[in-house]
Amino acid sequence: QKEVEQNSGPLSVPEGAIASLNCTYSDRGSQSFFWYRQYSGKSPELIMFIYSNGDKEDGRFTAQLNKASQYVSLLIRDSQPSDSATYLCAVNPAGQGGKLIFGQGTELSVKP
Amino acid sequence: DAGVIQSPRHEVTEMGQEVTLRCKPISGHNSLFWYRQTMMRGLELLIYFNNNVPIDDSGMPEDRFSAKMPNASFSTLKIQPSEPRDSAVYFCASSLGRSQPQHFGDGTRLSIL
Repeated sequence: QKEVEQNSGPLSVPEGAIASLNCTYSDRGSQSFFWYRQYSGKSPELIMFIYSNGDKEDGRFTAQLNKASQYVSLLIRDSQPSDSATYLCAVNPAGQGGKLIFGQGTELSVKP
Repeated sequence: DAGVIQSPRHEVTEMGQEVTLRCKPISGHNSLFWYRQTMMRGLELLIYFNNNVPIDDSGMPEDRFSAKMPNASFSTLKIQPSEPRDSAVYFCASSLGRSQPQHFGDGTRLSIL
């Protein structure tokens, strides 16, 4: 089992719809969770981070964390073509300092 | 504010040559991370430093790879000798603390012929 798993996609949604990206992780003691957006040929860009169970909202983005079920998700409301990118989930396992384990990423395509 | 600065942006060199990648973290950040990204393996942590001290180098693939952080504003990743399988994009990232959000530089695209 991979430490951090994401559906590779591509996930295709129409413009204006809600895009839902999911991530599961294996280390139950993980404390910190991050979502990065990466455009083709560019570097990962931090979108959201969440430490506690529940929802965290920032503009059109909402991160959801459920530690009991070991999943974290990212919702993008009112999706725009400019949101088309690969979204990387990253998890900080327990007892590993600052080390992040990244999923393989989910490719999102927002169609006009 | 200046972000993480990496150089060079692109490097093409022949197998067997020494390659040195450079990184300047965000001022005030005390954790620095080196990653490698390939299509096959995704984004992998190679090594990270906290307060200039290497903390975890378990991701360094072989002895051909070495990393240093002589001061808080500079780090290098060296490959000697380089091999074609080292071709990848190498990213440097920094953060305010070990579990704080990491901010990435633009990366170095390395091609070993």
